[in-house]
Amino acid sequence: DGGITQSPKYLFRKEGQNVTLSCEQNLNHDAMYWYRQDPGQGLRLIYYSQIVNDFQKGDIAEGYSVSREKKESFPLTVTSAQKNPTAFYLCASSVNSYGYTFGSGTRLTVV
Amino acid sequence: QKEVEQDPGPLSVPEGAIVSLNCTYSNSAFQYFMWYRQYSRKGPELLMYTYSSGNKEDGRFTAQVDKSSKYISLFIRDSQPSDSATYLCAMSPNQAGTALIFGKGTTLSVSS
Repeated sequence: DGGITQSPKYLFRKEGQNVTLSCEQNLNHDAMYWYRQDPGQGLRLIYYSQIVNDFQKGDIAEGYSVSREKKESFPLTVTSAQKNPTAFYLCASSVNSYGYTFGSGTRLTVV
Repeated sequence: QKEVEQDPGPLSVPEGAIVSLNCTYSNSAFQYFMWYRQYSRKGPELLMYTYSSGNKEDGRFTAQVDKSSKYISLFIRDSQPSDSATYLCAMSPNQAGTALIFGKGTTLSVSS
C-alpha cells in the first residue's frame, strides 16, 4: 500500500539536543511538507519542498532544518535553537495543490 | 487578521443532528478549498475539496464555498458518533510553490 511513514511515533528530547524526525513516502509525490500542530493552534508550516534538493521556509522555520536528497525522504531536524519544541509534528506529501496525504505524526516531548 | 479563521469549538451534538462547520478567509486568491478530518493522535485525512465557488456533496457531507463572502462551510447530515473528530479547513491559491493554509480546526463530539 502507498502512503507516508513517520518515525518514531514518540520522541523525547533533552535540553540542548538535536533530534531528527523521519518522513518517507512511496506515493511518487514531488512535494513534501512539515507542519507543527499545537493544541488550539491548527497546523503551522515549518518547511516544504517541491522538488529534490530544493526546499523553502514556512511560517515557523526558526530552530528547524530539513534536507531533500531523495524524492521519497524529507527528514526534519529539530535543533537546540528551537526553544519550545514540544508538539505534534506532521509530514505530508502531494501531487497537486490540494490533495495532501499525511503521515500519522510524531509526538516530540522535551524532558 | 489571520488568513483563515475557524471557530475551534468544541461543538457537541446528539446523534442524528445536522452539523455546520465554517471558515472565513481574507485572501481572494484562494481557489481550492478543502476539509480534512483528524481523529485524535492521527494525521489529517482529506474529506472533501471544492474548486472555486459552489457546492459539492458526498454521502452525508456537503461542502459549500461562497467566494463573494469569503466563507466556506461543511455540513454533516445524520451525524454519527464516528464523526467525532477535529475538522480542519484548508485553502490554496493554486500557485506553483505554495502550500496549504489551514484553519485551527473545530473539535466535534457526537453523542449516542
